[in-house]
Amino acid sequence: DAGVIQSPRHEVTEMGQEVTLRCKPISGHNSLFWYRQTMMRGLELLIYFNNNVPIDDSGMPEDRFSAKMPNASFSTLKIQPSEPRDSAVYFCASSLTGPSNQPQHFGDGTRLSIL
Amino acid sequence: DAKTTQPNSMESNEEEPVHLPCNHSTISGTDYIHWYRQLPSQGPEYVIHGLTSNVNNRMASLAIAEDRKSSTLILHRATLRDAAVYYCILFPRGSTLGRLYFGRGTQLTVWP
Repeated sequence: DAGVIQSPRHEVTEMGQEVTLRCKPISGHNSLFWYRQTMMRGLELLIYFNNNVPIDDSGMPEDRFSAKMPNASFSTLKIQPSEPRDSAVYFCASSLTGPSNQPQHFGDGTRLSIL
Repeated sequence: DAKTTQPNSMESNEEEPVHLPCNHSTISGTDYIHWYRQLPSQGPEYVIHGLTSNVNNRMASLAIAEDRKSSTLILHRATLRDAAVYYCILFPRGSTLGRLYFGRGTQLTVWP
């Protein structure tokens, strides 16, 4: 079975450019999560969708970040304009409906470098 | 959010058992205990979870103290592939929020 698929795996771009990260969750999963991992802050949740609806976006750092889930099989995380401090590894995860005993399945991440 | 405390690092030799401890003294009665691990250059991977009783699966065992204030993840025979950062996380039962709070975890080194 295919796991969570993220693209691109690596992205290097210049400050000020728009960056779009993509995620395809596991088929049948109805919860989707975007995380960011840095050495300083560790792994932190940015936003969480349930049935394509954003439930908790309190982790989104600022208005430069936006996330969408137009359908059950696709989500995007967009940064516009990008800044060097946005450099991190971004993970997407999915799970069945949000009850606490459902494990989250993570993709391999997008390593983002903003120059 | 209930906090967990884990050692920063642990070491083991290959094919030996590994006991990874986690303290969660402020755990509530409805918190599940989840363990994830993260191998180098990969996303976190679910390992196991439990509520009150000890749990076993193909990857590991989870031993939960009777007062639930601590738990131990047991790898019965460590392999080189088990070298990873292990995270112990509390998750409220019935929570409508999918928020997993990852701390710093325990970096496990496995020596050949």
